[in-house]
Amino acid sequence: NAGVTQTPKFQVLKTGQSMTLQCAQDMNHEYMSWYRQDPGMGLRLIHYSVGAGITDQGEVPNGYNVSRSTTEDFPLRLLSAAPSQTSVYFCASGLAGGTYNEQFFGPGTRLTVL
Amino acid sequence: KNEVEQSPQNLTAQEGEFITINCSYSVGISALHWLQQHPGGGIVSLFMLSSGKKKHGRLIATINIQEKHSSLHITASHPRDSAVYICAVGRGGNKLVFGAGTILRVKS
Repeated sequence: NAGVTQTPKFQVLKTGQSMTLQCAQDMNHEYMSWYRQDPGMGLRLIHYSVGAGITDQGEVPNGYNVSRSTTEDFPLRLLSAAPSQTSVYFCASGLAGGTYNEQFFGPGTRLTVL
Repeated sequence: KNEVEQSPQNLTAQEGEFITINCSYSVGISALHWLQQHPGGGIVSLFMLSSGKKKHGRLIATINIQEKHSSLHITASHPRDSAVYICAVGRGGNKLVFGAGTILRVKS
């Protein structure tokens, strides 16, 4: 099993450009989420999904869109990139519900917006 | 005040030393997670615990629910333990609230 995969690993955008960060998992997990990691701060939840067709906002959703058409894939879209979106982005997946579910993280995408 | 506070922010140790990283939280939780992030690498789960103590190799995690405090201990530290250690608390379901992380460097 590949686990959680993310592409690309690195990306440089100009302000105003759009792009999609890809995330896929092969563990049949219902729950998938996107976090951003900034220096000196903990990971912050952007969007999450508890199953195909179901998405919801996290702590910092502005400027990002998501969709979940399949169990395996959970892409994150930046509609009009801003320098404030320069960050490292992590996708994670796990079993949904319950109180004690491990989350599995992808390797991360380092995004720079100029 | 952040819901999850870790200390210290940075820690440098000599190989072989006993290391303690602390995590305090201010909200009710369902479980507490300790995660490890190597430089340039992904994030892996070390422990999930809701009470007591867990041990895996040289790593020990403890939690005191009444005091809202958890510690991660590393015995006989080694340079390969150099990483960022992250505490996260579960609030029910899958949502986690993360601490800022502790950067550990173990020198040989």
